[in-house]
Amino acid sequence: TQLLEQSPQFLSIQEGENLTVYCNSSSVFSSLQWYRQEPGEGPVLLVTVVTGGEVKKLKRLTFQFGDARKDSSLHITAAQPGDTGLYLCAGASRTGTASKLTFGTGTRLQVTL
Amino acid sequence: ETGVTQSPTHLIKTRGQQVTLRCSSQSGHNTVSWYQQALGQGPQFIFQYYREEENGRGNFPPRFSGLQFPNYSSELNVNALELDDSALYLCASSPPTGRPGELFFGEGSRLTVL
Repeated sequence: TQLLEQSPQFLSIQEGENLTVYCNSSSVFSSLQWYRQEPGEGPVLLVTVVTGGEVKKLKRLTFQFGDARKDSSLHITAAQPGDTGLYLCAGASRTGTASKLTFGTGTRLQVTL
Repeated sequence: ETGVTQSPTHLIKTRGQQVTLRCSSQSGHNTVSWYQQALGQGPQFIFQYYREEENGRGNFPPRFSGLQFPNYSSELNVNALELDDSALYLCASSPPTGRPGELFFGEGSRLTVL
């Protein structure tokens, strides 16, 4: 069974602080995605990482894929209230001819003024 | 461009009943996947439909079934509802040329089973 564990589960910080969310797996995935989900909405894709050691930046968000393609991190610089939400990592794999995502447990982030 | 739409947004059923949830995929997207998200957890893969056929399934019993129509819209049916079926059901679509794992989700249908 493929599992993705995220840490921390909850994070409450003030505006302007930096934070890092970790995603660890016992399995290798062909790619790893990070999604953000706000209350009452579906997850929205933030980034895809494919190559071991890859680093991608999206404004104040920096995503890193581990060399062995089994772990990833999301770093947010100078967090803002608009960053509040549930951050989910997900690994892509094949089942039959389908492509499926295995999601992590999620990190709930709250950024206050 | 219209995104993924799901209906109904909320519904309440009792144990043993049956439910049908509906999903319209984003324009041009021919693959539809369904996920179940229990409270406080990440979504879990139920199954995927491509060319009107189920082409992959997660660890869900046969009472979870689905359909995909020629216009790529889809239905999720759950029979003999159990209390543990209470969850947010998410539909996601992806285009023919999309990367694996890059899905476009709807807002979900929140099912409560009493």
